Amino acid sequence: EPEVTQTPSHQVTQMGQEVILRCVPISNHLYFYWYRQILGQKVEFLVSFYNNEISEKSEIFDDQFSVERPDGSNFTLKIRSTKLEDSAMYFCASSVGGTTDTQYFGPGTRLTVL
Amino acid sequence: GENVEQHPSTLSVQEGDSAVIKCTYSDSASNYFPWYKQELGKRPQLIIDIRSNVGEKKDQRIAVTLNKTAKHFSLHITETQPEDSAVYFCAAGEYGNKLVFGAGTILRVKS
Repeated sequence: EPEVTQTPSHQVTQMGQEVILRCVPISNHLYFYWYRQILGQKVEFLVSFYNNEISEKSEIFDDQFSVERPDGSNFTLKIRSTKLEDSAMYFCASSVGGTTDTQYFGPGTRLTVL
Repeated sequence: GENVEQHPSTLSVQEGDSAVIKCTYSDSASNYFPWYKQELGKRPQLIIDIRSNVGEKKDQRIAVTLNKTAKHFSLHITETQPEDSAVYFCAAGEYGNKLVFGAGTILRVKS
């Protein structure tokens, strides 16, 4: 069964550094999402992406964040200048779209900002 | 925007008993309601979902009910087993759009 994959599994970075989190969605999916989960808290929506553009973003997704689909398979989340409060698990998800809208989550990238 | 409330925050049941987790949502435009199970350090795994054109859906020991008028939906797990122990999240959304998650329920099944 196809799965969403993410790399790296764990990223440690210094405050102020840029990080890029990578995701490979399921191949026939058209909608892509990033969520984050601070330890012990609920999953929070960051951004959705469809047809090569952002379709919706949350208040969390400020100018420090950006997303890109650089090729036909990868979907990336960039944080330009990391802050301590960006430490969280970041999940990528994808869905086919339309009325078949199950979102499948990747295994996550644990980001630790020191 | 959508707001999802989930109760209880923790739930302990004896193996073999049933467990019920309840969620309410605020946005009547939401039409898709999935439930995810998350084990420690792992990804959320979809266990069942329901769309707004049905009131109930069942998959073996798991069932979900939806009351659109009252804007609430519930997860029912029967004959609980120790491997059901995990955090369960409800969510609400519209097709092709973001999911808004509840705060989660820690389910402990005692053997």
